[in-house]
Amino acid sequence: QVQLQESGPGLVKPSETLSLTCAVSGYSISSGYYWGWIRQPPGKGLEWIGSIYHSGSTYYNPSLKSRVTISVDTSKNQFSLKLSSVTAADTAVYYCARQYIVGAYYFDYWGQGTLVTVSS
Amino acid sequence: EIVMTQSPATLSVSPGERATLSCRASQSVSSNLAWYQQKPGQAPRLLIYGASTRATGIPARFSGSGSGTEFTLTISSLQSEDFAVYYCQQYNNWPRGGLTFGGGTKVEIK
Repeated sequence: QVQLQESGPGLVKPSETLSLTCAVSGYSISSGYYWGWIRQPPGKGLEWIGSIYHSGSTYYNPSLKSRVTISVDTSKNQFSLKLSSVTAADTAVYYCARQYIVGAYYFDYWGQGTLVTVSS
Repeated sequence: EIVMTQSPATLSVSPGERATLSCRASQSVSSNLAWYQQKPGQAPRLLIYGASTRATGIPARFSGSGSGTEFTLTISSLQSEDFAVYYCQQYNNWPRGGLTFGGGTKVEIK
């Protein structure tokens, strides 16, 4: 059974960099698939942040592209998100998820999510 | 960017009744559409992909239809566990086209 678990600070100061890691178990990232980050502000809808292929190729939401970096560490079977210059608008639950790749690009396994609050 | 619009924002339905949720794309996404269910405090769960294919373990009372710009998620007979928020997501023209979600429809008990 594929499982994903987000980890990282729950509180980040404005203008600083948000950093989260997603540990994957039950599946080797090196075997394939895209691996993505999605966020959800409190009481609002879902927003795709970006995805990374197991080879390291990255794809970002154009609205966040200038501030986002996603990386993968296959040796640790995990991938990470960095979002720079955060503001209160970046306060959200951040999810990591596995993204299917064979002709369809939906998210089939999700982490439980982690709330990140941007506040001084 | 393809904009996904869901309607209604809230749907009040009695248990046992049928629920029909709509998702509209700002341009054609062919059948490249997924539906998710999200309950409070939980991550979204994949229900439907390819506009009409149920994901593994999803009950037959959930069905998806449509193509192009108009899509529908139907829950044939609402069970208590079905009251939740539902999101559509397009993945047409990945990766250049990115991924976008609709704003969600909340299905509540009438």
